[in-house]
Parts: sequence; structure tokens; C-alpha cells
Amino acid sequence: QVQLVQSGAEVKKPGASVKVSCKASGYTFIGYFMHWVRQAPGQGLEWMGWINPSSGDTNYAQKFQGRVTMTRDTSFNTAHMELSSLRSDDTAVYYCARDGENWYFDYWGQGTLVTVSS
Amino acid sequence: SYVLTQPPSVSVAPGQTARITCGANNIGSKSVHWYQQKPGQAPVLVVHDDGDRPSGIPERFSGSNSGDTATLTISRVEAGDEADYYCQVWDTYSDHPGVFGGGTKLTVL
Repeated sequence: QVQLVQSGAEVKKPGASVKVSCKASGYTFIGYFMHWVRQAPGQGLEWMGWINPSSGDTNYAQKFQGRVTMTRDTSFNTAHMELSSLRSDDTAVYYCARDGENWYFDYWGQGTLVTVSS
Repeated sequence: SYVLTQPPSVSVAPGQTARITCGANNIGSKSVHWYQQKPGQAPVLVVHDDGDRPSGIPERFSGSNSGDTATLTISRVEAGDEADYYCQVWDTYSDHPGVFGGGTKLTVL
């Protein structure tokens, strides 16, 4: 069965960077785009971008351009999302989500809480 | 950018039908997807491409999309359906193509 297992919670200081990992299993990793979505406490869902695990091509939401980097390691079926220059309003749960072949998200990781605090 | 508007809350008694709307300009021309999110859990896809259900999602969940409104319909509502529901579309030529509605809290009375 498809599973996306994310790395554990992180606490970072303002200005630092964080890297969240998402290990995929149960399907052909390079066959499906991977998206990253975040959710601030008590707020809605916000799409951040996608990566094509096959080619490494990426597309980021304009809001995160210059601060986010999505990569993948096909040897370990793992996608990564790094966000730099962290601010307090980056405090959120970050999810990886597999693309369902028509730009929807059919499987989600369990989420990774990133707390930005001085 | 493309904006999806959902009512903040919908309430329904058990056994009744809940309808959650998602409004946007000419949303009928796009494919709409719906997610259910319970507290402390990741979202779960319940309807994709306007009205298709993933395997494992009960037939009680259905969707429609026309004009400026898409609707998620939950028939014979159960206590376990209480959750936040989000609509989502892909706005292909936007600089922010992944778009979610603000979410609707479904309360089962």
C-alpha cells in the first residue's frame, strides 16, 4: 500500500533553515509528482510547490520562490523540502502529498510540525 | 490569483444530507477535488475530478460542479463525518496553481 512517512518535528530559530523529508513506499516513486502543502496552526491548507521525482524538475508557488528548495533522492525513494530564512509565520505542519495524475493529492504524509521561535 | 470561497461552517443532524459549497468564477470549467481533515490528522481525498470517489470512500460522498459553484454532498451524515472539508483546484497558468478553499467545518448536531 502507498505510504508517505515524514521526518520528525523540528524547532528552529528565526533566520535558520529546515529540511523535511518524505519517504515513499508501495509505488513507483519516479512515476508520480510529489507536492508539498503546509498548514499553519488553526488555518487552512497552502500549496507550496511540486517536484518531478523522475527529472528533478520543480515548480514553486510564487510566494516561496527564493526560499524553498525541493529535491529528491531516487536511491532512497525520498523527497525533501528545504525552507530557508525562517520566520515565525512559517510555523506550520508541512505535508508531502502524492499527485493523483490530475493535479490532486491522493496520498498524504503524516505531517511534520516545524516551529519557528526565538 | 484564483480564489475559492467556502462557508466557514455547516451543521447537519445525523441521517440528513450535508452540502458544502465551493464558489469561484467559472469553477465549472475546472476539475474540483475535495479533502476531509479530522483534528490532528492529515487530509484525506474524498472526491476528485468533480465527482469521482477514491477506493474506500463511501458512496455517501458525492460531488458536482457547474457554473460558479462546486458542491460536496454527504448523504446520511454520520457522527464520524464531522471534520473540516477543503475544496481544491489547479489553476494551470497561475504563479500559484495549487489553490485550496478556506475550508468548511462540518458539525454533526
